[in-house]
Amino acid sequence: DIVMTQSPDSLAVSLGERATINCKSSQSVLYSSNNKNYLAWYQQKSGQPPNLLIYWASTRESGVPDRFSGSGSGTDFSLTISSLQAEDVAVYYCQQYYNTPPTFGQGTKLEIK
Amino acid sequence: EVQLLESGGGLVQPGGSLRLSCAASGFTFSSYAISWVRQAPGKGLEWVSGISDSGSSTYYADSVKGRFTISRDNSKNTLFLQMNSLRAEDTAIYYCARGIRGLFNDAFDLWGQGTMVTVSS
Repeated sequence: DIVMTQSPDSLAVSLGERATINCKSSQSVLYSSNNKNYLAWYQQKSGQPPNLLIYWASTRESGVPDRFSGSGSGTDFSLTISSLQAEDVAVYYCQQYYNTPPTFGQGTKLEIK
Repeated sequence: EVQLLESGGGLVQPGGSLRLSCAASGFTFSSYAISWVRQAPGKGLEWVSGISDSGSSTYYADSVKGRFTISRDNSKNTLFLQMNSLRAEDTAIYYCARGIRGLFNDAFDLWGQGTMVTVSS
């Protein structure tokens, strides 16, 4: 199975500041035939199911604010929130869908400083 | 409204069985593979099982293989998870989730609210 490792485990950022969460996969999730990275990001607020933010490593899901962006390729990826809002407090997960089974990172808890 | 709605969770003793359901509405259920993803209390997300759009192909995490069975009834827009030989470590919220490309190995763009399964004596 592909192991997904996120860093940091928790993060406190001031309102309006930038927040960056990293995700590393144990093997490349870049499919050479279509040049796509099979990597997604989710936001999970307390007591709610996960919500898809980003797929193909950098494609924003419909309705997701443009302050959320994804980057990276191969084995190293990042999720960036350009200007943190109070409603962004949540746990964030990365997930690979390159191989079966799909696997998730352990999560990063984002809080307000 | 496009949604998934799980049911069937509850308290069960170790070694017992439980059958979860996931009712779909607002989209063409038979065109999508669907997965079960679980989350133990205070923990992260774990993919459990997936089934193809027709139901002809099924896949399981090693942790549940041989104990859990996924199935679907496309005429009733419903997904099932039969869980046997339950263990304490199966305690979790169980979500059904739809793949964005209609595959089970996919980014999941639609999730249910989840149903809680507690395995305890």
